[in-house]
Amino acid sequence: QVQLVESGGGVVQPGGSLRLSCAASRFTFRNYGMHWVRQAPGKGLEWVAFTRYDGSNKYYADSVKGRFTISRDNSKNTLYLQMNSLRAEDTAVYYCAKDSTRGTIDAFDIWGQGTMLTVSS
Amino acid sequence: SYVLTQPPSVSVAPGKTARITCGGNNIGSKSVHWYQQKPGQAPVLVIYNDGDRPSGIPERFSGSNSGNTATLTISRVEAGDEADYYCQVWDSGSDHVVFGGGTKLTVL
Repeated sequence: QVQLVESGGGVVQPGGSLRLSCAASRFTFRNYGMHWVRQAPGKGLEWVAFTRYDGSNKYYADSVKGRFTISRDNSKNTLYLQMNSLRAEDTAVYYCAKDSTRGTIDAFDIWGQGTMLTVSS
Repeated sequence: SYVLTQPPSVSVAPGKTARITCGGNNIGSKSVHWYQQKPGQAPVLVIYNDGDRPSGIPERFSGSNSGNTATLTISRVEAGDEADYYCQVWDSGSDHVVFGGGTKLTVL
């Protein structure tokens, strides 16, 4: 069935960098907008970033703007999140999620299983 | 920035009806989506565009949206419905996706 699989999480020191990946399968990846959403331990969902189906428009939460970069490679059916200047408060499970539309933002109809990032010295 | 307010918890007996609210300024003018998240699992879309159900979601799940409040209604609640529920909108004014704080549904 339609699937999203995240990878790349781990333990990073404050100020460090990491890149997350999300591999998509069994749907036409290039036709849909994609998001990153995170969830700190014991907390609620927090939207992180969005990229349009063609990568032309990108939006970011205020908490990550200027530090995180969302990108996609439609030839590899893969979504990325480059995270720089990491802080302890970035510690969370990071989910990638498929938008139900191409260019606008609507419901997130498919979610990955998540990858854990821990920022700690 | 746009804010969505949910009650932290709702409790309901099996077989009864649970209503989870999501408050926001003129939320009735936006499309509201609802997600169910069980412990240790990724969220699952249960209602989109205020009141539509994805395939595979039971008819017991319904939604409405008017004025300043959107509501997720779960009829004939079952033990398996126990989960956290989140509402979500797109705020075009800020180009931000907004989630509510989440509501923990407890089945008594």
